[in-house]
Order: sequence, then C-alpha cells, then structure tokens
Amino acid sequence: GIQVEQSPPDLILQEGANSTLRCNFSDSVNNLQWFHQNPWGQLINLFYIPSGTKQNGRLSATTVATERYSLLYISSSQTTDSGVYFCAHGQGSQGNLIFGKGTKLSVKP
Amino acid sequence: DGGITQSPKYLFRKEGQNVTLSCEQNLNHDAMYWYRQDPGQGLRLIYYSQIVNDFQKGDIAEGYSVSREKKESFPLTVTSAQKNPTAFYLCASRRGLSYEQYFGPGTRLTVT
Repeated sequence: GIQVEQSPPDLILQEGANSTLRCNFSDSVNNLQWFHQNPWGQLINLFYIPSGTKQNGRLSATTVATERYSLLYISSSQTTDSGVYFCAHGQGSQGNLIFGKGTKLSVKP
Repeated sequence: DGGITQSPKYLFRKEGQNVTLSCEQNLNHDAMYWYRQDPGQGLRLIYYSQIVNDFQKGDIAEGYSVSREKKESFPLTVTSAQKNPTAFYLCASRRGLSYEQYFGPGTRLTVT
C-alpha cells in the first residue's frame, strides 16, 4: 500500500509566524485528508483535498497528486493551533485511512 | 446535533478482562471504522464495517472483535488475547460515496 511521510516531525513557532507542513506519498493519490489533533486527542477535520488548493481562514492546503505531495499552510499562527497535524490517504473502495506519523506543532506566546 | 460519540472517555481494566468500547453516530453514515493510536504515532486500522451485519479486519485486528447490528452503532471489544491493549481508541464514520471520514472524541484505555 501507499506509504505516507510527514515533515517536519516537530515544529516550534512564535505566535504570529507562518509555517508549512508537508506530506509525501510513495505513489500518486486520489484522496487526502488533513486533520488537527488537539491536546485532548480529538481529531478535527481540516481539509478533504484530493487535488488543488483550498483555503479556510488562516489555513490553506494544496495537493499535487501527480507529484505525490500535499502541503498545509498555517499563517499568523496562534497558541490554539498547537497540537499534532496528520495527513491521511484513503485507500481502496473501503476508504480505509493510512496515516502519517504527524507533525507536532507548538506555538509559543 | 449530528456527530459521533464514544464512551467512556477513560477506561481502566485489569489484565485478562475483556472490555467493550462504545461508538454511536447519528450522521446516517454507512461506513464505520475503529483505529488505534499509540503515543507519538499515527492511527492504525483495527476493523471497519461498510454496512450493517458486515465487517472486515483491518491491519491490526488480532485480539479485537466488533459487531454491527445497527447502522448507528459499532462497538469494539478488546479481548484478553490483545497483548498490548493500552492505547487511545478512535471511532470514525464515512458517507457512502465520499472518502472523507469524521472522528469521535476517543476512548483512552489503560490495562494494568
């Protein structure tokens, strides 16, 4: 199956800074989700983005399926952005998600 | 309010006991999933169900069992055969034609 690699594994930012998180795949993908796991463990859907670019407030995401990567941009970061960010690819007709190991983001005030 | 609920939030058990984790959804989603998360790791698939009365093993099904008697409910039993049951368990659901999954708040299981 497709392998998912995320980088960087850890990221520390000062409040107000911008950042880019990356997700690489071992083969081309046709569906992709980004999640934010908050400190209580809840996985929050950020984007379902099989291709192209989407924006939601300070967050945006771009997937280039043929080049096997996706990027998550966070602008003007806030302390509430802290947590772990996961990308995941849905495989097969059953749609089982294959997750990367995540990027742990810490935003300092 | 539509969503996925999991209970309990925290669960403590002695080794050798079976324990059942609850997952309920009122989103009218057909497919439901159970994932396990260990510290510092991504999620791994335990079991999934596409329709009522049908379910399939995921990547790490050994030591777990499930049932899907109702569309809304997909309980997971962690049996005594599971060698390392202490973990964070997350339930998810998906609409029929979309790949997008939605997650419940999770159950943190500790077995001593």
